[in-house]
Amino acid sequence: DGGITQSPKYLFRKEGQNVTLSCEQNLNHDAMYWYRQDPGQGLRLIYYSQIVNDFQKGDIAEGYSVSREKKESFPLTVTSAQKNPTAFYLCASLRQGSNQPQHFGDGTRLSIL
Amino acid sequence: GEDVEQSLFLSVREGDSSVINCTYTDSSSTYLYWYKQEPGAGLQLLTYIFSNMDMKQDQRLTVLLNKKDKHLSLRIADTQTGDSAIYFCAESCGYNKLIFGAGTRLAVHP
Repeated sequence: DGGITQSPKYLFRKEGQNVTLSCEQNLNHDAMYWYRQDPGQGLRLIYYSQIVNDFQKGDIAEGYSVSREKKESFPLTVTSAQKNPTAFYLCASLRQGSNQPQHFGDGTRLSIL
Repeated sequence: GEDVEQSLFLSVREGDSSVINCTYTDSSSTYLYWYKQEPGAGLQLLTYIFSNMDMKQDQRLTVLLNKKDKHLSLRIADTQTGDSAIYFCAESCGYNKLIFGAGTRLAVHP
């Protein structure tokens, strides 16, 4: 079945460490997105990519980095510059121009050790 | 800027109807969405409505859109315990980006 796979489901980060969250989709979608969710808040956009080898900052990009080398993959790196990384991270994808809504993965919960 | 607001909590009795309300600010939004999130899971699309529509019905779900007041509601008929979750309203803006509300936690009790 087609879908979006995020891994790992749970991730722990030590102080000063970079960690990378994986997002893979086999839906042949052009656009991919990363959101951060904190308790009692809606989702906030970190980065998005509309096409391979291109991506744009969202509303809260500081302390994060992404790459889009393949259409299927959009990994998110949480760098040591992100001082409050504990959150639930959600990846989404969309077929451009389809008027269809974004499809979401099951999320990765990142915690600080 | 764009903003989406929802009440944070709703409690209903099993079998009753639930109505979750949302207000948004961007009058140029093309689509408005309702997503459901169960504990520890991602977002599941429930339904969406095009901005030139007033109502959309899909089985137990009814979406009402008042474009003049920028008000969106989701009605769940015959609410069941399996409907307990957080419900997010979202509006579309440029480049297929979505602006989300903070979510309404729906609790269904016997």
